[in-house]
Amino acid sequence: AQTVTQSQPEMSVQEAETVTLSCTYDTSESNYYLFWYKQPPSRQMILVIRQEAYKQQNATENRFSVNFQKAAKSFSLKISDSQLGDTAMYFCAFWVSYIPTFGRGTSLIVHP
Amino acid sequence: DAGVTQSPTHLIKTRGQQVTLRCSPKSGHDTVSWYQQALGQGPQFIFQYYEEEERQRGNFPDRFSGHQFPNYSSELNVNALLLGDSALYLCASSLNRREDSYEQYFGPGTRLTVT
Repeated sequence: AQTVTQSQPEMSVQEAETVTLSCTYDTSESNYYLFWYKQPPSRQMILVIRQEAYKQQNATENRFSVNFQKAAKSFSLKISDSQLGDTAMYFCAFWVSYIPTFGRGTSLIVHP
Repeated sequence: DAGVTQSPTHLIKTRGQQVTLRCSPKSGHDTVSWYQQALGQGPQFIFQYYEEEERQRGNFPDRFSGHQFPNYSSELNVNALLLGDSALYLCASSLNRREDSYEQYFGPGTRLTVT
């Protein structure tokens, strides 16, 4: 069975600073996809960034980047220049054969 | 371009009753997935529909069933409701192309309360 662990239930950061959210996963598969999703208080889930396991280069989307360590089964999300609108629940998700597994989430609060 | 829509927004049911939730996918999408998100938890995958067939299923009992229509919209049915079925039910749509099928767009969800 696939598992996803987000060890930080809550994080906080000052506006304009950088924060890193951690995620580890466990699988015996070699071909899979990893995602970070954001769920603001209004609750609609939004895709933040994705990483294909076969790609060594870490994905980047504007202020969001990942540190993908395949051997360590680690997939952390770095948010640079944090903005108030980044306040949300962040979920790490892992996909194998069309079946997704989500972590329990990290609540991020950005303080002005 | 309409995104994923779900109805109703909120629903209150009694134990033992049956409920039907509805989802319309994002325009151009042909695949619909359903999730259960309990309070304080991440979404749990229920099942995915493509070409009107259930393609994959998570670890949910047969009380949870679904349907996909020719226009790609979908329904989630839950029979014999339990208190533990109280949750936010999320629908997500995607396009069934290898690189796109994992990129899902989520709806706002239906909040189901079972009393």
